[in-house]
Amino acid sequence: AQSVTQLGSHVSVSEGALVLLRCNYSSSVPPYLFWYVQYPNQGLQLLLKYTTGATLVKGINGFEAEFKKSETSFHLTKPSAHMSDAAEYFCAVSEPISGGYNKLIFGAGTRLAVHP
Amino acid sequence: SQTIHQWPATLVQPVGSPLSLECTVEGTSNPNLYWYRQAAGRGLQLLFYSVGIGQISSEVPQNLSASRPQDRQFILSSKKLLLSDSGFYLCAWSVAGEQFFGPGTRLTVL
Repeated sequence: AQSVTQLGSHVSVSEGALVLLRCNYSSSVPPYLFWYVQYPNQGLQLLLKYTTGATLVKGINGFEAEFKKSETSFHLTKPSAHMSDAAEYFCAVSEPISGGYNKLIFGAGTRLAVHP
Repeated sequence: SQTIHQWPATLVQPVGSPLSLECTVEGTSNPNLYWYRQAAGRGLQLLFYSVGIGQISSEVPQNLSASRPQDRQFILSSKKLLLSDSGFYLCAWSVAGEQFFGPGTRLTVL
């Protein structure tokens, strides 16, 4: 079974600083990878995804992530943090299930705090 | 465009009472549907998924059940709630491997 590990359950940065949220996955096949963001008491919103092609993926709100197969990583970055980026972030990998469908395996999440 | 609805938004129930959470999807047909639970301070745990009407797969044994009576309706149920059933329940639908989430239901069991 596949798994996703997010290093650091809490990350705190200053406004304007670099944001780096780490994600490593285990997969025996080329994975589909996702980053989701969750604001308090809300559902999850897709930030970006990697399926095939370019390994550097750009998403919404200035976030991007790079798929590194050799490192089995898909770290999320943003050059300059904004107060509105404070939320919980989830990395996920797609896993095949019966009938040709897929399910998502999520990491435990990283809560990002941004301070002035 | 597709939208996904969940209700109720919040629910407080006593231990031993029944549960019914509803999820409906609009703007698509024959979606794959999922129920996740997010316990306090923890990640998302997949509870059930469905690839069609009446087709339910369970990921973990538990006190809950799911049903899909219509193509775009997914229901999460319990006959008798436990304290450990408290959490944030999210419904999702998917296409091409990407999942889209509903707003969630906050369930507190007292």
